[in-house]
Amino acid sequence: RKEVEQDPGPFNVPEGATVAFNCTYSNSASQSFFWYRQDCRKEPKLLMSVYSSGNEDGRFTAQLNRASQYISLLIRDSKLSDSATYLCVVIVEASGGSYIPTFGRGTSLIVHP
Amino acid sequence: NAGVTQTPKFQVLKTGQSMTLQCAQDMNHNSMYWYRQDPGMGLRLIYYSASEGTTDKGEVPNGYNVSRLNKREFSLRLESAAPSQTSVYFCASSKQPRGLAGGEQFFGPGTRLTVL
Repeated sequence: RKEVEQDPGPFNVPEGATVAFNCTYSNSASQSFFWYRQDCRKEPKLLMSVYSSGNEDGRFTAQLNRASQYISLLIRDSKLSDSATYLCVVIVEASGGSYIPTFGRGTSLIVHP
Repeated sequence: NAGVTQTPKFQVLKTGQSMTLQCAQDMNHNSMYWYRQDPGMGLRLIYYSASEGTTDKGEVPNGYNVSRLNKREFSLRLESAAPSQTSVYFCASSKQPRGLAGGEQFFGPGTRLTVL
């Protein structure tokens, strides 16, 4: 079982819709959480860090549920330009005191007119 | 600031050939990473360097070696390329290896490698 799991989608939604993605993680020693966005054939770029209390940035809201070991990303009022793959990243404290980032496989979002 | 740069952008190798992928960052970051991305597999960590002078294996290190040449540069070497190493390779850096403030990773544009 992969340590970080995401529904690959694609999520196909009309402009203006609200869409939510979840990302589950298996390691309770997970320490930091992020959402990245990746456009086709480009490098990933940070979308949001995920704070314990949840955080919002414009149309985007990220939540962390430590008890159930998942993070979520909510996109309101979807735009065509939101079409991309959304990757969740979990940083896990490994043995020896190192910290290892683990990416989910990504969720594909397609926003259509 | 150029951020994270990678060379080359594209490369075609024959099985058994060797090559080194170069990565440099100008953000004074402590931590650097090498990933590979294959269709349907997401990004998988090959090696990382939490700080200058240290390197550690990630999820898929077999067939690769790395060198943290200095704080700026982190290279990835394929000693004897195999078709299974055909992939897109991304280098990344972060201020620190952990934490919301320092754990954000900045990625280079990637190297598209084909091994025939």
